[in-house]
Amino acid sequence: NAGVTQTPKFRILKIGQSMTLQCTQDMNHNYMYWYRQDPGMGLKLIYYSVGAGITDKGEVPNGYNVSRSTTEDFPLRLELAAPSQTSVYFCASRLSGDQPQHFGDGTRLSIL
Amino acid sequence: KQEVTQIPAALSVPEGENLVLNCSFTDSAIYNLQWFRQDPGKGLTSLLLIQSSQREQTSGRLNASLDKSSGRSTLYIAASQPGDSATYLCAVRKAVGQNFVFGPGTRLSVLP
Repeated sequence: NAGVTQTPKFRILKIGQSMTLQCTQDMNHNYMYWYRQDPGMGLKLIYYSVGAGITDKGEVPNGYNVSRSTTEDFPLRLELAAPSQTSVYFCASRLSGDQPQHFGDGTRLSIL
Repeated sequence: KQEVTQIPAALSVPEGENLVLNCSFTDSAIYNLQWFRQDPGKGLTSLLLIQSSQREQTSGRLNASLDKSSGRSTLYIAASQPGDSATYLCAVRKAVGQNFVFGPGTRLSVLP
């Protein structure tokens, strides 16, 4: 049982480049989330989804986009990378409201 | 707006000590609270989930308590071990359909 899988694990981008961070889960969870974690800070919610075809903004959505075409996958897209988007990105999922969140191992992204 | 704080930011203790990690939140109207562990370079692992109707949850050497009225939760670790060294984060959720708000974490070092 793989749980939540994120790819790539590391990436360096140049300013203005675009990329997609991949997240997939094999637990048939309805809810999926994207967070960013900056040094010494808690996790900030970027986007979330309560099911296939449904997405919504979190606390810090600017500069990002998401889609949820299937239950398993929840990719996060950066269109025009900026240095402020240098961070560690975590994807998470959970089955329903009372269940704990399960996290992937993160993607470490540097924008130079 | 819910704010979550964790004090201290970092803690070092000798092996074998019992210790308490603190989590405070500004809005006492919460649905549940979750404690996580994060190892360096890894995602978050769920430790304990406390529903608003509960006062505490236990798992092995870990015990988490919740006092909603005072806006506080504590994570008690008994007989600490070097393997307990990690960052511990708490997160609170206001309602079943809402998302977690995370604290910044306490970085714990257990010295052999």
